[in-house]
Amino acid sequence: GAVVSQHPSWVICKSGTSVKIECRSLDFQATTMFWYRQFPKQSLMLMATSNEGSKATYEQGVEKDKFLINHASLTLSTLTVTSAHPEDSSFYICSAWAGANYGYTFGSGTRLTVV
Amino acid sequence: GQQVMQIPQYQHVQEGEDFTTYCNSSTTLSNIQWYKQRPGGHPVFLIQLVKSGEVKKQKRLTFQFGEAKKNSSLHITATQTTDVGTYFCAPGYNQGGKLIFGQGTELSVKP
Repeated sequence: GAVVSQHPSWVICKSGTSVKIECRSLDFQATTMFWYRQFPKQSLMLMATSNEGSKATYEQGVEKDKFLINHASLTLSTLTVTSAHPEDSSFYICSAWAGANYGYTFGSGTRLTVV
Repeated sequence: GQQVMQIPQYQHVQEGEDFTTYCNSSTTLSNIQWYKQRPGGHPVFLIQLVKSGEVKKQKRLTFQFGEAKKNSSLHITATQTTDVGTYFCAPGYNQGGKLIFGQGTELSVKP
C-alpha cells in the first residue's frame, strides 16, 4: 500500500507560538507533497505544494511567511504555522501522489486549536 | 485553474435508497478523481477516470465520466450506513500535479 504518516494528530497551542506538523511517506518517495486546510463542513483548500529540495509553491492568498514549508527529503515534508492565532485553528492535512493505483494518499490530518 | 461544481451539497437518504452526486466543469478535464471522507477522517482515494465516457464500478458504486469529459457522477445503489461521509470529486491537472477539490456532497443515511 501507500501510506502517509502525519503527526501530531491534534495539538493545542497558545496564541503567538509556532506549531510544526510533519508528513512522511512511509513506503514510497514523494518529490511533491500537498498541504490542505479544512474548516468544519467545508471542502479541502489547497494551501501549498511542497517540492523536495526547492521552495514551496503557495496558492493565492496563503501567507508564505506564516505557513513555512520545508521538504528536506523525498519522504518528509513539514508545515510550520508561525505565530499562530485562533483564526488559524483548523484541520491541516497533507497528501502525496502515490501512483495510478493508489492516487493521492492523505495523511490522517492534524487538528490545530489555538487558544 | 480547473474548477468544478459539485451537487448536491447535502443528501439525506433512507437506508436502501440510491444516491447520486454530480460533478460539473465548464472546461474539459484531463481526468477526475473521487474521494470519500468519513466524519473526522481524511480523504480516501476511490477511483480515477481518464477516458471519455468511462464507466467504472466498485461493488455498489458506479462512477461515470461524461463523453465531453466535463461531467462526472458517482452513484451508490442501495445505500448503507457505512456509506455515510462526504464525497469529493477532484480534477487532476496531470498525474501527480496539484489536486483541487470540489465542494463535496455530504451523505447521511438514516437506518
